[in-house]
Amino acid sequence: QKEVEQNSGPLSVPEGAIASLNCTYSDRGSQSFFWYRQYSGKSPELIMFIYSNGDKEDGRFTAQLNKASQYVSLLIRDSQPSDSATYLCAAQGEPGTYKYIFGTGTRLKVLA
Amino acid sequence: DAGVIQSPRHEVTEMGQEVTLRCKPISGHNSLFWYRQTMMRGLELLIYFNNNVPIDDSGMPEDRFSAKMPNASFSTLKIQPSEPRDSAVYFCASSGQGGNEQFFGPGTRLTVL
Repeated sequence: QKEVEQNSGPLSVPEGAIASLNCTYSDRGSQSFFWYRQYSGKSPELIMFIYSNGDKEDGRFTAQLNKASQYVSLLIRDSQPSDSATYLCAAQGEPGTYKYIFGTGTRLKVLA
Repeated sequence: DAGVIQSPRHEVTEMGQEVTLRCKPISGHNSLFWYRQTMMRGLELLIYFNNNVPIDDSGMPEDRFSAKMPNASFSTLKIQPSEPRDSAVYFCASSGQGGNEQFFGPGTRLTVL
């Protein structure tokens, strides 16, 4: 059973702090990884994707991938109350496999 | 540019009734995915299509569920007969060539009484 694991939270951080969200995956063949943000009652919205080991930065967001440890993380710098949401991690299999395996998400609360 | 369109947005029905959910993917996208989301099980992939052909339906819970994609711009997910345990939010998503970066529709909140 291929799995993606996330701590359900809630993860509470003060406004302006760095929020660190973590994800592990079981399928060593997974090639691509995605972070989605989901506000309560809304649909998942793609924030970032990462394919290569290392860091990828986009504005206040940084995705980190370590394939040897099967570990993906998302850092949110200068966290804002509007970042409060559930963050879903997804892993995609080998090329040509379009399936994502989603984690159950981590709920982030940014305290003003 | 229109995103993924789903209808209805909310559906309340009684146990035993047939339910049909509809999805229009983003124009030009050739992969379409149906997901179900519940508090207990999170976001689960039910079935996905590539170029209108069902590729993997291993997530379809049982024979009561069926999905079709008659053309590149329309797909349906049907539940017949519906049961209370089918109550969930059903999302449709689409992606372009290569299957990366799925974009989700607004979802259909289904309540089966």
